[in-house]
Amino acid sequence: GEDVEQSLFLSVREGDSSVINCTYTDSSSTYLYWYKQEPGAGLQLLTYIFSNMDMKQDQRLTVLLNKKDKHLSLRIADTQTGDSAIYFCAEGSNDYKLSFGAGTTVTVRA
Amino acid sequence: DTGVSQDPRHKITKRGQNVTFRCDPISEHNRLYWYRQTLGQGPEFLTYFQNEAQLEKSRLLSDRFSAERPKGSFSTLEIQRTEQGDSAMYLCASSLWGETEGYTFGSGTRLTVV
Repeated sequence: GEDVEQSLFLSVREGDSSVINCTYTDSSSTYLYWYKQEPGAGLQLLTYIFSNMDMKQDQRLTVLLNKKDKHLSLRIADTQTGDSAIYFCAEGSNDYKLSFGAGTTVTVRA
Repeated sequence: DTGVSQDPRHKITKRGQNVTFRCDPISEHNRLYWYRQTLGQGPEFLTYFQNEAQLEKSRLLSDRFSAERPKGSFSTLEIQRTEQGDSAMYLCASSLWGETEGYTFGSGTRLTVV
């Protein structure tokens, strides 16, 4: 299966950390990605992790992967108003096709 | 290189009309992908090309849809006899074969069928 599921909404106070969660079903997933989409725009790749890794950190972004539970999370430290967007989790089990979740809408409040 | 370009950004058409969208990928990328995104959903894979060859088509791509990449550079996606259910954002992306760091997406073409 290629189902990817995410919580739909997250509201966070400016300066706090955001954690967005994702679960997937395809055990053969090789790469897992986080994309960001702002209104009216395409998708921007934020970060990715290979399935043989547990964690990846990139500036304010931390990705955690629990392969046993097929659970992926994205933590954004010190969330800013510019982080308000829709965040998509995606998995790739081959080298050409990505399966996306429905997206988590993150709203940052002052 | 300015990234992946899509044209037009918006298209409103009457049901039954044909529409064609264009995508210009990053010049050195040999792979090009088309995805469709409906409101409140993530993108869904439609098809992809490696150079000029169309290697995979989703079952979402009905007979009314056709995609081409004649010279291995830009691509077109045509929808014939549009239906209201075709209303969506059509996203193009490109990548270099063997690169695992994800695609680069364009800003999309938003189609509204009235």
